[in-house]
Amino acid sequence: EPEVTQTPSHQVTQMGQEVILRCVPISNHLYFYWYRQILGQKVEFLVSFYNNEISEKSEIFDDQFSVERPDGSNFTLKIRSTKLEDSAMYFCASRRISNQPQHFGDGTRLSIL
Amino acid sequence: AQSVTQPDIHITVSEGASLELRCNYSYGATPYLFWYVQSPGQGLQLLLKYFSGDTLVQGIKGFEAEFKRSQSSFNLRKPSVHWSDAAEYFCAVGGGGNKLTFGTGTQLKVEL
Repeated sequence: EPEVTQTPSHQVTQMGQEVILRCVPISNHLYFYWYRQILGQKVEFLVSFYNNEISEKSEIFDDQFSVERPDGSNFTLKIRSTKLEDSAMYFCASRRISNQPQHFGDGTRLSIL
Repeated sequence: AQSVTQPDIHITVSEGASLELRCNYSYGATPYLFWYVQSPGQGLQLLLKYFSGDTLVQGIKGFEAEFKRSQSSFNLRKPSVHWSDAAEYFCAVGGGGNKLTFGTGTQLKVEL
């Protein structure tokens, strides 16, 4: 069964550094998402992306965050200047059409030192 | 605003016993409802979904859930729990469009 794949599985970065989290959604999916889960807390929506533009974003998704689909397969989340509070598990998700469920990757654990 | 409440943070059941995990939602229109399961260090796996139609939905691994509009609930059930079901379970609500809103999760422990 096709899967959403995320790399790396664990990223350790110094505070203030830029980080890029990568995702390969399922190939025929059209809607893409990023969520995060701070340790011990619930999964929170960050941003959704469709037709090469952001369709919705949360208040968490400030100017330090950006998303990009640089080619036909990858979907990236960039954090420009990381803060300690950005430490979390970041999940990528995708879905084919609007009335289908989202499929999640295994996540990238981001640790900010 | 949409929201999900999972009132039970931790639940412990004996292997072979029945299970019910509670989920209440708030959503302004007809909701799309989901249950996901997360094993340690893993991603979110979809157990089942409700979009419309029959209010009792069947999922993978022997799980089912019942949508009750009058109670704004979507409780997850399994008649006989296996040790491998130990994990964290998340209920989520979303519309036909975009984001999912998750509950805080219920950690299930299975005693042998």
